[in-house]
Parts: sequence; structure tokens; C-alpha cells
Amino acid sequence: ETGVTQTPRHLVMGMTNKKSLKCEQHLGHNAMYWYKQSAKKPLELMFVYSLEERVENNSVPSRFSPECPNSSHLFLHLHTLQPEDSALYLCASSQDGDGTGGSPLHFGNGTRLTVT
Amino acid sequence: RKEVEQDPGPFNVPEGATVAFNCTYSNSASQSFFWYRQDCRKEPKLLMSVYSSGNEDGRFTAQLNRASQYISLLIRDSKLSDSATYLCVVLTDSWGKLQFGAGTQVVVTP
Repeated sequence: ETGVTQTPRHLVMGMTNKKSLKCEQHLGHNAMYWYKQSAKKPLELMFVYSLEERVENNSVPSRFSPECPNSSHLFLHLHTLQPEDSALYLCASSQDGDGTGGSPLHFGNGTRLTVT
Repeated sequence: RKEVEQDPGPFNVPEGATVAFNCTYSNSASQSFFWYRQDCRKEPKLLMSVYSSGNEDGRFTAQLNRASQYISLLIRDSKLSDSATYLCVVLTDSWGKLQFGAGTQVVVTP
């Protein structure tokens, strides 16, 4: 399998549930990202990991908790979410690990999350 | 003012026609510029980077105007498969500080 894969594709969860989103990249990239995409809004950067270290946390509420156990895997742990957290969550990776940001992002196909 | 602004469209384009649209950015220190394409219910994919001298990739031409702080995308000889949302992306700072526009929807009709 190649590219960036995300699971699950769809997730419905209640406000008291705990769930995790998984992302795996097979591109040998050094940086991985979580983005949130709400309808008709720009993609919002949530977290950036470079070489397994978190280098950016874009003022994301603590009910979202990322984990990067190695350079190929990224998780987003979810707990006590709100209905307004319903969105498409996209994982991405890029070659650069030094923060220059010049390398293009390769996105996974996303997890469509619905919070009821 | 939004950091990156795009006309949401939709731009309805007859097959074979030319369509062009712009994206404005607010930070004059912006360094790198990209166009991504996102099909309905799919993930964004890089279409092309935008260079200072302008660049062309087949039927797609991207231009950068630093003085007026906008980039443009022109699609010639539109195909039905060009129907998508085109995202303007601007790098202003390091660490994934890629600022995405909300996208311009293009609908190519037979």
C-alpha cells in the first residue's frame, strides 16, 4: 500500500465516547499533520509532528490529543467531543522535517466525523 | 481580513472554454504558493506550485503577482474532469503554517 491511509473513513460518536483516528504514511516522509476541514471553511491546521516530535499545536482544545509513536504513524485521540467538532479530519505528510514547509503535502482520504 | 481569500464560485464553464480565478493573500512576507485540487468528498491533492516567474503545466497556468498580493490559476480547454474545488495555499511562516483558502468551485459542463 502506498501514500497516506486513514482509518476509519467514517465515525459517528456520542459526546461521552472515546475514539481514535489513525493515520499511516508509506512515503518515508519526516513530517505529519492533522487538519480539520469544516464545510465551506478553509482547512485548519491542528498539529504538526516532525521526526516524531510535536512542533506545532494550533490552539486546539485538549479534547483532541495527538500521538506520534514513530515517523510513519499518527493518531488523534478524541474524548468528550462537541457537536461542532463534526468535520472531515485529514492527515497529511510532507518530506521536509526542518520546518521550511516548501515540500508539498500528501493527504490521506480523511475521516468524516459526526458527533451526536 | 482573512489571510487567504478566494471567490467561492461556482464558476460554470462550458467544456473547452477557458476559466481563470484569483486568490489574494494578506501577508506580504508570504514565501511559497501552491494550488491544490479537491474533488467532492475526497482529499486535497497538489496541482502545482506557483513560482515568481509564473509556470505552466499542460492546460494549467499559474501566476504570482507580489505587488498586488495575489496568485491566479488559468485552465485552458476545460475538461469535464476539471470539475473540482481549487484551493489556494500560501506559506507564510515555518512549521506547516500553510494558510489554505476556502476554495473556488469550478463546474465544467458538457
